[in-house]
Amino acid sequence: LAKTTQPISMDSYEGQEVNITCSHNNIATNDYITWYQQFPSQGPRFIIQGYKTKVTNEVASLFIPADRKSSTLSLPRVSLSDTAVYYCLVGDFSSSNTGKLIFGQGTTLQVKP
Amino acid sequence: ETGVTQTPRHLVMGMTNKKSLKCEQHLGHNAMYWYKQSAKKPLELMFVYSLEERVENNSVPSRFSPECPNSSHLFLHLHTLQPEDSALYLCASSRGLADNEQFFGPGTRLTVL
Repeated sequence: LAKTTQPISMDSYEGQEVNITCSHNNIATNDYITWYQQFPSQGPRFIIQGYKTKVTNEVASLFIPADRKSSTLSLPRVSLSDTAVYYCLVGDFSSSNTGKLIFGQGTTLQVKP
Repeated sequence: ETGVTQTPRHLVMGMTNKKSLKCEQHLGHNAMYWYKQSAKKPLELMFVYSLEERVENNSVPSRFSPECPNSSHLFLHLHTLQPEDSALYLCASSRGLADNEQFFGPGTRLTVL
C-alpha cells in the first residue's frame, strides 16, 4: 500500500475554508484515495473517496491532480465541531485485497472561535 | 449512530481476568474488523473476518482471541492481558472486503491494571 504523508496538525478559525494536503508519491494505478475523520474517543468516520479530478459531497471536497501524487481535502466554512483528526488513506480495494485500511498519524485540526 | 454497536464502552480488568468485547452491526455487511488504538499511535488492524471466516490475523498475541459466530456479531475474548494492552478497541464493518468505506463502532476503552 502506498505511504502517505500529511501535516501533523493545523489550526483554523470558525468560518474559514480548510485545506489538508496529503502526499502519496508511490500511488499505484488501482489505488483509491480515502479520507476519514475521527473525534476523540470515537471510531473514525468515512468522509470522502476519489480516484482522480474532483469529488464533492455534502461534507467536503477532494481535489486530485492529474499525476495523483497528492490530494487535498477541502472543508468549507469549518465550525468548532470540525475539530478532529483527519486521515488520508491510499489503497487498492479490489476483491483481491483483504480490506486492509492502513491509518497513519493523521492531521489534527483545531478550529478556534 | 453508525449502525455498529460495541459493549461494554468501558472495561477495567486485572491481568488474570478473562473478559470479552462484543460488537454488533445492523447494516447487513459481510466483513468485520477489530482495530486497536493506543494513545498517540495510529489505529492498528488486528483481525479481519469475511462471511464469518477469519482472513487476516495481523500478528496479534494469542491472549486476544476473536470469534465471529455470524455475519452480524464479532467478539474479542481477552485473557491474561498486560498493562500495555490498555487501549481503545474499535470494531468496524463493511459491505465486503473490496469496500473501503468501513463503519466504525464507538469503541471499548480498556484499562488493564
